[in-house]
Amino acid sequence: AQKITQTQPGMFVQEKEAVTLDCTYDTSDQSYGLFWYKQPSSGEMIFLIYQGSYDEQNATEGRYSLNFQKARKSANLVISASQLGDSAMYFCAMEGLGFNKFYFGSGTKLNVKP
Amino acid sequence: GAVVSQHPSRVICKSGTSVKIECRSLDFQATTMFWYRQFPKQSLMLMATSNEGSKATYEQGVEKDKFLINHASLTLSTLTVTSAHPEDSSFYICSARQGADEQFFGPGTRLTVL
Repeated sequence: AQKITQTQPGMFVQEKEAVTLDCTYDTSDQSYGLFWYKQPSSGEMIFLIYQGSYDEQNATEGRYSLNFQKARKSANLVISASQLGDSAMYFCAMEGLGFNKFYFGSGTKLNVKP
Repeated sequence: GAVVSQHPSRVICKSGTSVKIECRSLDFQATTMFWYRQFPKQSLMLMATSNEGSKATYEQGVEKDKFLINHASLTLSTLTVTSAHPEDSSFYICSARQGADEQFFGPGTRLTVL
C-alpha cells in the first residue's frame, strides 16, 4: 500500500526567503510519480511540479524545485524567493502507475510573512 | 492546462435530501474521473474512480449506495449524495484525466447539509 507523510502541519517563512516542505513516501511499486499541489483558501488544487521515479534529475518549475532522494523515499518541495501569494496549503501526492489512484499527504500550511 | 469544471460550487440542502454534483472536462475527453472528499483542514481522500461507461470503483469505507457516481460520457461525471446528513457536509473535488495523461482538478463543491 502507498503512504504519503507530511510531517509539518504548518510552516512560516519570511518573504523572499526559501522554504522546504517535507514529504516522505512508502511504496512497493518500482515505477511511480510524485506530485506537489498548492491549495489556496479558495479550494482549487493547483499543480506545481512532478517527479517520475525514474527521472534522474530533480524536477524544477520556476521557483519550485523538488529535492528527490529515492533511497530515502523523500520528495521535498523547495520554494525559492517566497512571495506573499505563496501562502496556502501544500499537498504532496503519489501515484503508483497501474493503480490509477492518487494518495495525498496530510498537507502543510505555509504562511509567508512580509 | 486542461479545464475541469464543477457545478454547483456551493450547495446548501436540508437533511434527507439528495444532491447532485457535476464534473465536466471542458476541452478534453476524460476516460477516468476521480471523486475526492476533503473535510476542513484535512487532506483529500479518494472516494471513487470512474471510467466512462463502466461502474465506479469505490474506496474502502465509502458507501456506494449513498454516493452514486455516474460517468455516462467522456466529458461528464456526476456524484449524487443521497439522503444527505450533516456529517456529509464537506468539500467535494473531482479530477479528470485522459488515458495516462496528467490529472486535472475541478474547483470543488462545498456541500453544507443543515
